[in-house]
Amino acid sequence: GAGVSQSPRYKVAKRGQDVALRCDPISGHVSLFWYQQALGQGPEFLTYFQNEAQLDKSGLPSDRFFAERPEGSVSTLKIQRTQQEDSAVYLCASRFRTTGELFFGEGSRLTVL
Amino acid sequence: DQQVKQNSPSLSVQEGRISILNCDYTNSMFDYFLWYKKYPAEGPTFLISISSIKDKNEDGRFTVFLNKSAKHLSLHIVPSQPGDSAVYFCAGTTGANSKLTFGKGITLSVRP
Repeated sequence: GAGVSQSPRYKVAKRGQDVALRCDPISGHVSLFWYQQALGQGPEFLTYFQNEAQLDKSGLPSDRFFAERPEGSVSTLKIQRTQQEDSAVYLCASRFRTTGELFFGEGSRLTVL
Repeated sequence: DQQVKQNSPSLSVQEGRISILNCDYTNSMFDYFLWYKKYPAEGPTFLISISSIKDKNEDGRFTVFLNKSAKHLSLHIVPSQPGDSAVYFCAGTTGANSKLTFGKGITLSVRP
């Protein structure tokens, strides 16, 4: 596609529910990142993939967070047993090579009640 | 530990004047810096970048200055336009295969 596509754009979950957020990067982009942006803050790194390999997951806040990119294109960020502090915008970004600017999607806004 | 600091949360300037957005960093390993612009309900979009081997990069109305010794960079927008009103994020990275580390952002308002 023309840009990074994320779905759903908005998700409301009850505390304790599991959620899955999807990212479709720009076709051919090798690198894919997930960021979490809380209200009034900058994006915080969660995890990074190069093709299907998850090279860095140091930013995942707990073992309730899990990300995958099995075929090196679409990625899914899964949050198990959601908590109120998980409420944030989850941004996906991709880039063609391993360096250079990131292209961001519009984000998925998660609200946990 | 905040590695990228944007200490001024907001800035308001008159249309046509210069906007100067500041950013400080603590990680001396950063060798590449980027500025992103974000409108409400949209993802951040890339604006301009600078390598640590340079002290200035210019692209149209946008210029980024880097002072390595002070660990400081700034984004200049001249002349400012109402459409520039957005949140601006500064980010640093340590090169290949590396994530971007963002500041908290500065909200710029350009008054007509």
